[in-house]
Amino acid sequence: SAVISQKPSRDICQRGTSLTIQCQVDSQVTMMFWYRQQPGQSLTLIATANQGSEATYESGFVIDKFPISRPNLTFSTLTVSNMSPEDSSIYLCSVGKGVTDTQYFGPGTRLTVL
Amino acid sequence: EDQVTQSPEALRLQEGESSSLNCSYTVSGLRGLFWYRQDPGKGPEFLFTLYSAGEEKEKERLKATLTKKESFLHITAPKPEDSATYLCAVQATGNQFYFGTGTSLTVIP
Repeated sequence: SAVISQKPSRDICQRGTSLTIQCQVDSQVTMMFWYRQQPGQSLTLIATANQGSEATYESGFVIDKFPISRPNLTFSTLTVSNMSPEDSSIYLCSVGKGVTDTQYFGPGTRLTVL
Repeated sequence: EDQVTQSPEALRLQEGESSSLNCSYTVSGLRGLFWYRQDPGKGPEFLFTLYSAGEEKEKERLKATLTKKESFLHITAPKPEDSATYLCAVQATGNQFYFGTGTSLTVIP
């Protein structure tokens, strides 16, 4: 398994500002993932963050809006840029571990944009 | 189209009343099926991975089974602390993950 921490756990932000979310893992991992979970909905993959290369974004998500850094094998950040109320959501990071790539999730960051 | 569907959306059980949650899937090749538990305001907690039809896994009052088209999460004699949202996810052969929308379980004392 993996122990994952996220900062901040929650934040309330003003429209037009940006927020950077940090994800720290207790062991080295190749793949880190960023998800969004809107109220009452399932998880939507934003991007996959690989160390040493550009993140891979899913359809509907772009680097200018959600820039990601992956400076080493235990850490990643996701920035939500130029926020609007529609960005209010829970943002989760996860890592894939083991032969089966089982995903383990962090506790999430609850973002509210006013 | 690859997709995962969970049913029911919500389930209320009396303490001790056993039941099952369903996860049906259509993917182009299954690498694994995962069950998670998610408490309000928290990230999903990993429960089980199933790889092939006929496989079963158990943990306390939970038992997960897998067929070629669906998985069941059986809850035996549930307790109020089992109340949570249970998520199912499928990994396809292209390594993509598809998540269901979850079943919200409430166990009433």
